[in-house]
Amino acid sequence: GDSVTQMEGPVTLSEEAFLTINCTYTATGYPSLFWYVQYPGEGLQLLLKATKADDKGSNKGFEATYRKETTSFHLEKGSVQVSDSAVYFCALSPRNFNKFYFGSGTKLNVKP
Amino acid sequence: ETGVTQTPRHLVMGMTNKKSLKCEQHLGHNAMYWYKQSAKKPLELMFVYNFKEQTENNSVPSRFSPECPNSSHLFLHLHTLQPEDSALYLCASSQESGGGREQYFGPGTRLTVT
Repeated sequence: GDSVTQMEGPVTLSEEAFLTINCTYTATGYPSLFWYVQYPGEGLQLLLKATKADDKGSNKGFEATYRKETTSFHLEKGSVQVSDSAVYFCALSPRNFNKFYFGSGTKLNVKP
Repeated sequence: ETGVTQTPRHLVMGMTNKKSLKCEQHLGHNAMYWYKQSAKKPLELMFVYNFKEQTENNSVPSRFSPECPNSSHLFLHLHTLQPEDSALYLCASSQESGGGREQYFGPGTRLTVT
């Protein structure tokens, strides 16, 4: 069945470091892919999305490219800030089914 | 109000109490969801409603009873809960079923069962 696998955390970085959080997926067909962010004490917020192969989603300096050949959707940011400390979830939604599959989440800690 | 709202934000209840969680979406969506988020466990989808009809129940114990009176409101009625039901309960909404649609989440209700 469909699923999402993302790297385990926590990931600890210094401010201004480069961030990569890996996400790979298993799906039949062509799902939509998402990254969500959850700040402490809050719900999940949509960070970015991509709906077809080679699409690049971007928001707030974060980027992720839909790579069908490697079934990946890695999250990147060139220079992280302390305010980026949160839990990041990769997710997919199959094109023809109203379902959502979330990864287990990766906690990011950014130190000043 | 905008987006998805949930009340209360925090709830402490005893195992014999009855309480309800409320969710309201102001996005014009037709699908609504309840999720459970426990510490160190993946997000668990509990219920899905499309156009007020329940379309998914992921083997949730009967002590959790959802209600969706219209496409904008979703409730989760709680009774005789167990301590292991303590968690963050998240409500979400999306456009109609068909797949590929992003979900929008509320801030959650932090439930503690004593």
